[in-house]
Amino acid sequence: KQEVTQIPAALSVPEGENLVLNCSFTDSAIYNLQWFRQDPGKGLTSLLLIQSSQREQTSGRLNASLDKSSGRSTLYIAASQPGDSATYLCAANRPPQFYFGTGTSLTVIP
Amino acid sequence: DVKVTQSSRYLVKRTGEKVFLECVQDMDHENMFWYRQDPGLGLRLIYFSYDVKMKEKGDIPEGYSVSREKKERFSLILESASTNQTSMYLCASSLTLLEQYFGPGTRLTVT
Repeated sequence: KQEVTQIPAALSVPEGENLVLNCSFTDSAIYNLQWFRQDPGKGLTSLLLIQSSQREQTSGRLNASLDKSSGRSTLYIAASQPGDSATYLCAANRPPQFYFGTGTSLTVIP
Repeated sequence: DVKVTQSSRYLVKRTGEKVFLECVQDMDHENMFWYRQDPGLGLRLIYFSYDVKMKEKGDIPEGYSVSREKKERFSLILESASTNQTSMYLCASSLTLLEQYFGPGTRLTVT
């Protein structure tokens, strides 16, 4: 069964730093990789979707990459802000299933 | 934008009660999902539905049932609520089974 791991579980950085969140998966036979943001007590908001034929996607200060052969995805956040504080989850997709990591809790200190 | 709504943000029920959690999406998606999220365990799939009146069990269906009478609405039913069903419940929908869109979640407490 697909296992998705996100390390570290928690990360604290000063405002303005660039940072990388990691997501690894055990079965490379996936279609897409989706990154989500979750604020405390709320649902998941989709940030970026990397489709099967792509290696990366960008949205504003966010850049996500996917290397299926090594079973890894990274989410790069540039010039972090306190408003980026949240939990970030990745999900590996092999239809019809979605396999979620347990998330990285990010705190950006003003 | 896809909009997925859930009937309640917070719910408190007593042990043994029958509980209904409702989810509605407005984008004509065939596929809908119910997850529960617990600290340290991540999201676990309870049930999903790929069409009206069609359903498939997920990883943890015990103690739950679902209903999908209309395409836009997917209901999760706890037949007899127990304290170990206290959790955050998340509904999601998907058009192509290649990406998902989530609702705001329902925090259920069973006392």
